[in-house]
Amino acid sequence: QKEVEQNSGPLSVPEGAIASLNCTYSDRGSQSFFWYRQYSGKSPELIMFIYSNGDKEDGRFTAQLNKASQYVSLLIRDSQPSDSATYLCAVSPGGSYIPTFGRGTSLIVHP
Amino acid sequence: KAGVTQTPRYLIKTRGQQVTLSCSPISGHRSVSWYQQTPGQGLQFLFEYFSETQRNKGNFPGRFSGRQFSNSRSEMNVSTLELGDSALYLCASSTGLAGGQDTDTQYFGPGTRLTVL
Repeated sequence: QKEVEQNSGPLSVPEGAIASLNCTYSDRGSQSFFWYRQYSGKSPELIMFIYSNGDKEDGRFTAQLNKASQYVSLLIRDSQPSDSATYLCAVSPGGSYIPTFGRGTSLIVHP
Repeated sequence: KAGVTQTPRYLIKTRGQQVTLSCSPISGHRSVSWYQQTPGQGLQFLFEYFSETQRNKGNFPGRFSGRQFSNSRSEMNVSTLELGDSALYLCASSTGLAGGQDTDTQYFGPGTRLTVL
């Protein structure tokens, strides 16, 4: 059974700090990796996707993928209170397969 | 480009009733997936439809069913509602086409909040 593991948190960081969110997965054949942000009572919003080993940066967000170690992480630089949300990691074999979602990590950014 | 839309946004039903939820995917997307999200279980995959055919299925009882129309709009039906069916039901669309790196990128609608009394 394919599993995607995330620490449920909450992860609490001060405003302006770097928040580091981690995700591990069990399926070595995984090819596509996604990070979603979900505010309380709202639907998940795609933040980033990454397919290749290494780092991918988009504004304040950096996704890091290490397929050999089977983990993917999301770094949020200069964290803001508006970043407070649950972050979902999703992993897929690629192509037309449905991603498997983790349970999410709750992030709290305090002023 | 318009996003994924879901109707209705909120529903209140009683046990034993049935309910139908609707989802319109992003224009050009042919895959529609349905998820149930509860605080205790997280995001759970129900099923996926592609070109009017159910292509993937999660581990839910037969009370949960769906269909997809030729314009890619999809409906989900839950019969004989139980208290435990109270949840946020999310629809996600993707291109669903073989090949290309973004075929499995899913974009979510706002969800339908179902409360069963």
